Amino acid sequence: SQTIHQWPATLVQPVGSPLSLECTVEGTSNPNLYWYRQAAGRGLQLLFYSVGIGQISSEVPQNLSASRPQDRQFILSSKKLLLSDSGFYLCAWSRGTAEAFFGQGTRLTVV
Amino acid sequence: DQQVKQNSPSLSVQEGRISILNCDYTNSMFDYFLWYKKYPAEGPTFLISISSIKDKNEDGRFTVFLNKSAKHLSLHIVPSQPGDSAVYFCAATSYGQNFVFGPGTRLSVLP
Repeated sequence: SQTIHQWPATLVQPVGSPLSLECTVEGTSNPNLYWYRQAAGRGLQLLFYSVGIGQISSEVPQNLSASRPQDRQFILSSKKLLLSDSGFYLCAWSRGTAEAFFGQGTRLTVV
Repeated sequence: DQQVKQNSPSLSVQEGRISILNCDYTNSMFDYFLWYKKYPAEGPTFLISISSIKDKNEDGRFTVFLNKSAKHLSLHIVPSQPGDSAVYFCAATSYGQNFVFGPGTRLSVLP
């Protein structure tokens, strides 16, 4: 069966510090991978999605970037965090024709 | 421009009665629709989906109805249980690429 791992679960970072969130998927190959963010009291905003290694589509211009160094690894990064980067970050995967499955999320608080 | 809308931020229903959650979309290119359930500080859990070539899909207590001409779908939960209390997200996708989510509806099932 397929599983998705996302870490860390919670993170408190000072403004201006770098960020690296990692997501890995097991049990499948060549998945579509996604990063979403849920701001407080709001819906899920798609940040990045990837259909293959090195292929990243950015949906919203912002202070974040994503990379896919391996088939089942998706990384969300920032060089300098802003207060507005606080939120709940979710990684997800899909086979490209059906449902997307989510990780448990990372609660990021920028202070 | 919100492509997927859930106009009711919250809904309260008595245990045992029917819960009806509504969702509207604007993009006629969407060909697959999904409902997710989310508890606080957790990733969304996939509930049920429907292809654009169907108008109804049923799975246990959950039924999703799609009205393509109205660009409207709904999720029916019968009978509602206290454990169903959560935020429900409607999502849509086109050719399985990215998934666009609505802002969510908070369902409270009262005992």
